[in-house]
Amino acid sequence: GIQVEQSPPDLILQEGANSTLRCNFSDSVNNLQWFHQNPWGQLINLFYIPSGTKQNGRLSATTVATERYSLLYISSSQTTDSGVYFCAVVDYKLSFGAGTTVTVRA
Amino acid sequence: NAGVTQTPKFQVLKTGQSMTLQCAQDMNHNSMYWYRQDPGMGLRLIYYSASEGTTDKGEVPNGYNVSRLNKREFSLRLESAAPSQTSVYFCASSEARTGGRQNIQYFGAGTRLSVL
Repeated sequence: GIQVEQSPPDLILQEGANSTLRCNFSDSVNNLQWFHQNPWGQLINLFYIPSGTKQNGRLSATTVATERYSLLYISSSQTTDSGVYFCAVVDYKLSFGAGTTVTVRA
Repeated sequence: NAGVTQTPKFQVLKTGQSMTLQCAQDMNHNSMYWYRQDPGMGLRLIYYSASEGTTDKGEVPNGYNVSRLNKREFSLRLESAAPSQTSVYFCASSEARTGGRQNIQYFGAGTRLSVL
C-alpha cells in the first residue's frame, strides 16, 4: 500500500505565528485529504486536494502530485488550531500518516 | 443533518466480553468504513463496506466482525474482547469507495473503548 509520511511530528507555536506542515506519499494518488483532529477527538475535514492549491480562511493547502507531496499552511495561528493534523491518501483504502501534533500557546 | 453518528461514545469491557458498536449515516452514502486509532498513530482500516450487501477486510480485521444492516447502518462486533482492542474506533462514510472526489470520507465522533 501507499506509505504516507508527515513532518514534523510535533510543532509548538506562539499565537499569531505561521507554520507549514508537510505530507509525502509514496505513489500517485487521485484523492488526498487533510483532517484536523481537535482536542476532543473529532476528525474534521479540512481539504480534499489531490492537486493544486486551495484556501479556506487562515488555512491553505498545496499538493504537487508529480512530486508526491502536499503542504498545509496555517497562518496567524490561534489556540483553536491546536490538535493533530492528518494527511490521508486513497489507494483501495484511506491511508493515514501518523500526524503532526500542533500546540498553539497564547 | 447529523452526518455520521456512532454509539456508544464510551465503553469499558472485561476481557472476553462481547459488544457491538453502532454506526449510522444520513448522507445517502454507498460506502462505509470502520477504523481504529491507537495512541500516536494515524487511523487503520478494520473493515469496509463498498456498498449495501458487501463487506471486505481492511488492514487489521482480526478479532472483529461487521454487518452492513442496510444502506444507512454499519456495525462492528467484538466477539471476545481483548486488551489489545483498547482503542478509539471511528466510523466513516463516503459516496463511493473509488478514488477521487467520491471517496471524500466523513467521520463520526468516535467510540473510546477500554478492555480490562
